[in-house]
Amino acid sequence: DAKTTQPPSMDCAEGRAANLPCNHSTISGNEYVYWYRQIHSQGPQYIIHGLKNNETNEMASLIITEDRKSSTLILPHATLRDTAVYYCIVRASIGNTGKLIFGQGTTLQVKP
Amino acid sequence: NAGVTQTPKFQVLKTGQSMTLQCAQDMNHEYMSWYRQDPGMGLRLIHYSVGAGITDQGEVPNGYNVSRSTTEDFPLRLLSAAPSQTSVYFCASRAYNEQFFGPGTRLTVL
Repeated sequence: DAKTTQPPSMDCAEGRAANLPCNHSTISGNEYVYWYRQIHSQGPQYIIHGLKNNETNEMASLIITEDRKSSTLILPHATLRDTAVYYCIVRASIGNTGKLIFGQGTTLQVKP
Repeated sequence: NAGVTQTPKFQVLKTGQSMTLQCAQDMNHEYMSWYRQDPGMGLRLIHYSVGAGITDQGEVPNGYNVSRSTTEDFPLRLLSAAPSQTSVYFCASRAYNEQFFGPGTRLTVL
């Protein structure tokens, strides 16, 4: 599975959009980009995933560059409850055991 | 659905003691896994299972045993606890694209 690189921390003002970047320059063609978050001391929570098209759900949007070497998770209107560690993970979905390899993630601090 | 449940929530052991961390899911997921998380670090995969009777090692399997006799349960056994195993342990089960995590077990080994 490809390795990812994320900034260790970011701040965002409440009500503003939070844009969390992820670099995955060694991603291969069958690998998906997944985002999870972990709110203090809780188990990680799935947010969104995508292959090459932009994706949106009720929680967030995922923008993947055309060359697929990087992506951005967008929380459109961040709230204090979005303060968490956000993990960008790349793995193959088809024919894969489902292992998730977590990096250090980005600690997002949403400030009032 | 209860989702993924873990027991106990907290546990203190002495070095050399053994114990089993319990994990159960009621979503009929084939894939289950165990992670540990140390302070300031991401999660590291210990063991995983792709179905009843099938288990395999993850990144940090040493000191831990698992078995999978049913789809619902995936216990993690520490045969002889060591202080280095002090950590928070998360169990997870997976649907096609989404992994569901339990609330965690906080283990301290003295």
